[in-house]
Amino acid sequence: QQQVKQSPQSLIVQKGGISIINCAYENTAFDYFPWYQQFPGKGPALLIAIRPDVSEKKEGRFTISFNKSAKQFSLHIMDSQPGDSATYFCAATMYGAQKLVFGQGTRLTINP
Amino acid sequence: SQTIHQWPATLVQPVGSPLSLECTVEGTSNPNLYWYRQAAGRGLQLLFYSVGIGQISSEVPQNLSASRPQDRQFILSSKKLLLSDSGFYLCAWSFGQGGNSPLHFGNGTRLTVT
Repeated sequence: QQQVKQSPQSLIVQKGGISIINCAYENTAFDYFPWYQQFPGKGPALLIAIRPDVSEKKEGRFTISFNKSAKQFSLHIMDSQPGDSATYFCAATMYGAQKLVFGQGTRLTINP
Repeated sequence: SQTIHQWPATLVQPVGSPLSLECTVEGTSNPNLYWYRQAAGRGLQLLFYSVGIGQISSEVPQNLSASRPQDRQFILSSKKLLLSDSGFYLCAWSFGQGGNSPLHFGNGTRLTVT
């Protein structure tokens, strides 16, 4: 019940296309859902995060869509660029948990 | 602003040798501190976390140990390295109020055990 399932494992998108990464969770107590972006040889960096009181959050070309009833959330990257090529991790946690539950990661490649 | 320092960036150690990786955080007090390991092309495995000095929670039984001798210092150690200890080790911190604040990662240590 503590798992976060992320898909796909890898994704190739053409430059200018939309990249979509999906995550699903089971624990309804989760109330904070961040996404992390990791470039090779670097630590993951917080990209965008959402709480379940909203269904969508947008920051530039990055949007999180959240479906509370389905217990799913997704990351959309609009107008994908080669510089977006990285590994993306979704995560979830709840108040007082002290730690995040991470998805397995998605290796995104944007072809020029 | 807060910063996290992790060193060394790369390390090559023989099997059976000891290990000490250090992580320090600046610009905040009483952070939660974390050690993660990432195998090549894999996800993030939480090894240890700490909510205060001397308080260590272990997530995975293994050949490693962690210590927090000071508020903003977190150390990952091993007495005798195994080949399977190779990987990318990441230190991270979050605000320690008990709420769900994001993790902030260091740039990691690439450990190769030969």
